[in-house]
Amino acid sequence: EDQVTQSPEALRLQEGESSSLNCSYTVSGLRGLFWYRQDPGKGPEFLFTLYSAGEEKEKERLKATLTKKESFLHITAPKPEDSATYLCAVYPSGGGSEKLVFGKGTKLTVNP
Amino acid sequence: GAGVSQTPSNKVTEKGKYVELRCDPISGHTALYWYRQSLGQGPEFLIYFQGTGAADDSGLPNDRFFAVRPEGSVSTLKIQRTERGDSAVYLCASSSGARSYGYTFGSGTRLTVV
Repeated sequence: EDQVTQSPEALRLQEGESSSLNCSYTVSGLRGLFWYRQDPGKGPEFLFTLYSAGEEKEKERLKATLTKKESFLHITAPKPEDSATYLCAVYPSGGGSEKLVFGKGTKLTVNP
Repeated sequence: GAGVSQTPSNKVTEKGKYVELRCDPISGHTALYWYRQSLGQGPEFLIYFQGTGAADDSGLPNDRFFAVRPEGSVSTLKIQRTERGDSAVYLCASSSGARSYGYTFGSGTRLTVV
């Protein structure tokens, strides 16, 4: 069964305090791994897609990396507006399904 | 439209009633998805449409749930004989089919069954 586990469940940082969020996955085959940001009362907002081990993507203070078993979302010098829940999802290959399998997310709070 | 629109934003219904949730995808997006998100959980796949047809409905929990997309644009998720366990946020997403850009999600319909 395809599974995604995100850690920690919640993370509190001071503004400017860099850290990383973890996404561990178990899939029969990986077509892609997605990172989303979700604000309260909103739908998830697409951040990155990663396809193969060793790949990295960057956007402002965020950088996503991928290995064969996990992905990291690195947040450099975060600001209060980076506070949100960050969701990781895998797009498994095989089985003919188009679904994404999501983790439960990491709730990030950045204090000024 | 500019984004994925879902209506209503909130729906409170009594146990046993029938509800319809509407999704208006981004114009031109051929792929449409429904997900369900319970409190503290990630979104859970329900159904995927490519054009008018349901290409993958493996996530529908039981036969009380049904979805249609008759003209390949707007979709309606229908829930019969609602139960308290159906309470969740129902998210719709659309895609042009280019996986590298992921989906675009709507803000969801918060369904509360009392």
